[in-house]
Amino acid sequence: DTEVTQTPKHLVMGMTNKKSLKCEQHMGHRAMYWYKQKAKKPPELMFVYSYEKLSINESVPSRFSPECPNSSLLNLHLHALQPEDSALYLCASSQDTVGYYNEQFFGPGTRLTVL
Amino acid sequence: GQNIDQPTEMTATEGAIVQINCTYQTSGFNGLFWYQQHAGEAPTFLSYNVLDGLEEKGRFSSFLSRSKGYSYLLLKELQMKDSASYLCAVGDLGNKLTFGTGTQLKVEL
Repeated sequence: DTEVTQTPKHLVMGMTNKKSLKCEQHMGHRAMYWYKQKAKKPPELMFVYSYEKLSINESVPSRFSPECPNSSLLNLHLHALQPEDSALYLCASSQDTVGYYNEQFFGPGTRLTVL
Repeated sequence: GQNIDQPTEMTATEGAIVQINCTYQTSGFNGLFWYQQHAGEAPTFLSYNVLDGLEEKGRFSSFLSRSKGYSYLLLKELQMKDSASYLCAVGDLGNKLTFGTGTQLKVEL
């Protein structure tokens, strides 16, 4: 299995809602990532988990809360989002975060719209 | 931090060869990655260079010069399906990727 899967594909939520994005990989990778991508812009890193521990938080607002229940799963909990948070949220995984040849493999993304 | 530059747009003809350049300034370097992204889809990994020189993979090749902070992606025998955005990304020692703004390639008949 060489896939990273993400659910849901699309999500529409109000500013008072609480929702979660889910990501899963079965490649035995020990590093997982959340990115945010706005239209016609490159992906921007949000969080990195290495061996199920949060290793990088790119000063992301607390209304985004990541969680790594086990080495195959990564969640992103959303609460009290703003319309400007509407974007494509991409999950990625890699073998590790140290050493070489740790290319990141991306899931298909969740397209989030905040009303 | 990282500063990465690549052209915004390029146009090429089906069957031709195109070279997409990327220059970077970095405070920590653990390799340079190229990704392809079709509109509305996720980025797909194309190549990785950590040592100077050329890496060839089918119709795609990527070159790196660390001393010049320069890389290029070479696409041969262009096909219509190669129309996409090509993202240059620099990885640091923690495998954090910083992406360039992407080069939108349009392949025409």
